[in-house]
Amino acid sequence: GAVVSQHPSRVICKSGTSVKIECRSLDFQATTMFWYRQFPKQSLMLMATSNEGSKATYEQGVEKDKFLINHASLTLSTLTVTSAHPEDSSFYICSASGHSGGPEETQYFGPGTRLLVL
Amino acid sequence: AQSVTQLDSHVSVSEGTPVLLRCNYSSSYSPSLFWYVQHPNKGLQLLLKYTSAATLVKGINGFEAEFKKSETSFHLTKPSAHMSDAAEYFCVVSDGDSSASKIIFGSGTRLSIRP
Repeated sequence: GAVVSQHPSRVICKSGTSVKIECRSLDFQATTMFWYRQFPKQSLMLMATSNEGSKATYEQGVEKDKFLINHASLTLSTLTVTSAHPEDSSFYICSASGHSGGPEETQYFGPGTRLLVL
Repeated sequence: AQSVTQLDSHVSVSEGTPVLLRCNYSSSYSPSLFWYVQHPNKGLQLLLKYTSAATLVKGINGFEAEFKKSETSFHLTKPSAHMSDAAEYFCVVSDGDSSASKIIFGSGTRLSIRP
């Protein structure tokens, strides 16, 4: 199946700094990418939907100025957590959908990025 | 609005016995429903998908799920559990037919397998 990668897999940063997380579709063009957040022992919560070349659509309660999303190409989307605080510590997961050439069109998930803000 | 409810936060079964993970959905129209599995330190993997074709959907690794409209359920089953099935399982509903549609995750069920 299609492969989605995320980098870094884990990051530790100081409070007040910004962190960028990359999501790449390795073998297909992702017209739409999604960013999720997962707290320990909880489900995934959709943060935003991004389409290549346009502004991301944020879910209610998600601060767009804090979680900057850029989907500049059909294979790359980035999530930047600006001025991170300890409460931003979480597991961030991206998914990508597009014409993967597989038997079924579906969303493919990245392995996730664990962020710890000290 | 669509939603899914996973009735059990944790299920524990013995190796070789059947698995049943329960999911109920709420949708104003015919939904697309999915089951995903999340192993520790690995990405989410699609087990199976229902999109209004056959009500009994067969997935990977011996899993299957049956869509029951009258019960608004989409329970996941497997005849015989294997140790490698231990993971977190998510029932998911989509608000559209396209893969670009938003999907909504259930709260998850942690499956443990006893030797």
